[in-house]
Amino acid sequence: EAGVVQSPRYKIIEKKQPVAFWCNPISGHNTLYWYRQNLGQGPELLIRYENEEAVDDSQLPKDRFSAERLKGVDSTLKIQPAELGDSAVYLCASSPGAAYNEQFFGPGTRLTVL
Amino acid sequence: SQQGEEDPQALSIQEGENATMNCSYKTSINNLQWYRQNSGRGLVHLILIRSNEREKHSGRLRVTLDTSKKSSSLLITASRAADTASYFCATAQGGSEKLVFGKGMKLTVNP
Repeated sequence: EAGVVQSPRYKIIEKKQPVAFWCNPISGHNTLYWYRQNLGQGPELLIRYENEEAVDDSQLPKDRFSAERLKGVDSTLKIQPAELGDSAVYLCASSPGAAYNEQFFGPGTRLTVL
Repeated sequence: SQQGEEDPQALSIQEGENATMNCSYKTSINNLQWYRQNSGRGLVHLILIRSNEREKHSGRLRVTLDTSKKSSSLLITASRAADTASYFCATAQGGSEKLVFGKGMKLTVNP
């Protein structure tokens, strides 16, 4: 069974530039999450999808971050414009059911904003 | 915001020794989970213990949960160099469909 796929694995951009991350969850998993992990910290939830509906985006900085999950499968997370403080690892995870059960994580995208 | 707090923040042991990590949290929970993260990788789920359970085993892992003290411990027996990683506890808070992760604890197992 294929795991959660994310791309790119690494991204270096200059501040004020846009950037996008892509995630393909495990087949059949209807719940998808985007997390941000700062250095030396645990992941923090940005947004959670149930199928194509964003059911928890309370921690998503909506002035510069946006996300979509087309057809309830793949998802993209976008930052425009990026700021220096956005440098972090962006993790995508998926789960087959309730959000508080086991989550399956992708390898993450390490973003560096210069 | 992060609820769980792992203790110690870093632990270095010799291969074959046991490693114990503790996690404290603040609010009521549905369950508590432990995850491992190898350097540069995503998180891997290790074990889940529900609020009505007190102890759970999986291979070389043993997890305990004390809801009266709002704490959990993860014991890794007969550690191996491959256990070197960061370990996170995550709580599924009561009334919320969200996992809240702690800051993590770095375990180093020396061969």
